Amino acid sequence: ETGVTQTPRHLVMGMTNKKSLKCEQHLGHNAMYWYKQSAKKPLELMFVYSLEERVENNSVPSRFSPECPNSSHLFLHLHTLQPEDSALYLCASSQEAGTSGPEETQYFGPGTRLLVL
Amino acid sequence: AQSVTQPDIHITVSEGASLELRCNYSYGATPYLFWYVQSPGQGLQLLLKYFSGDTLVQGIKGFEAEFKRSQSSFNLRKPSVHWSDAAEYFCAVGAGAAGNKLTFGGGTRVLVKP
Repeated sequence: ETGVTQTPRHLVMGMTNKKSLKCEQHLGHNAMYWYKQSAKKPLELMFVYSLEERVENNSVPSRFSPECPNSSHLFLHLHTLQPEDSALYLCASSQEAGTSGPEETQYFGPGTRLLVL
Repeated sequence: AQSVTQPDIHITVSEGASLELRCNYSYGATPYLFWYVQSPGQGLQLLLKYFSGDTLVQGIKGFEAEFKRSQSSFNLRKPSVHWSDAAEYFCAVGAGAAGNKLTFGGGTRVLVKP
């Protein structure tokens, strides 16, 4: 596997379910990101992790809980979601974060299409 | 705070014709600028980026973009489109501060006519 991978690619869940999205990067990067892409809205940054520490939480509701156990893996734990949380969730990684240079270029995974019923 | 505007929501172009996608940004300092492409059901693929230096940037798939500071623009161009270029294109500006906040435009969907 190369680049950034995400599993599952599609997920349907009820509002009372608990599920997790997984992201893995094979690029040797130190920073990882979660984005939400809803219909008719620009991509929204949710979380940023740098060296496994969360450095950005963009006012995301607590029903979304990120976890970064190491620099290659990023999870997004979901519980008691709402139908308006249905969206494409994109993971990205970059070599670094916060250094103001080309090493901050972000590379994206294919996304998980989430439907909340 | 930075912002990005892509004025065209949809563009239809004939195969073989030229393509130009507009992007205007608002940011107080020197911006870092990106163009990404998203095919249906896929993630975002980086086409090109501008950090400094030559204001005409070459990217993959025959795309180029020109940074014009006086116009706060970073328009994407391709001289001759292929049917496989049908996709959604996103312009983004990076703040470069801690956390590397990327702000995306709303996207331009490109349809290619045979």
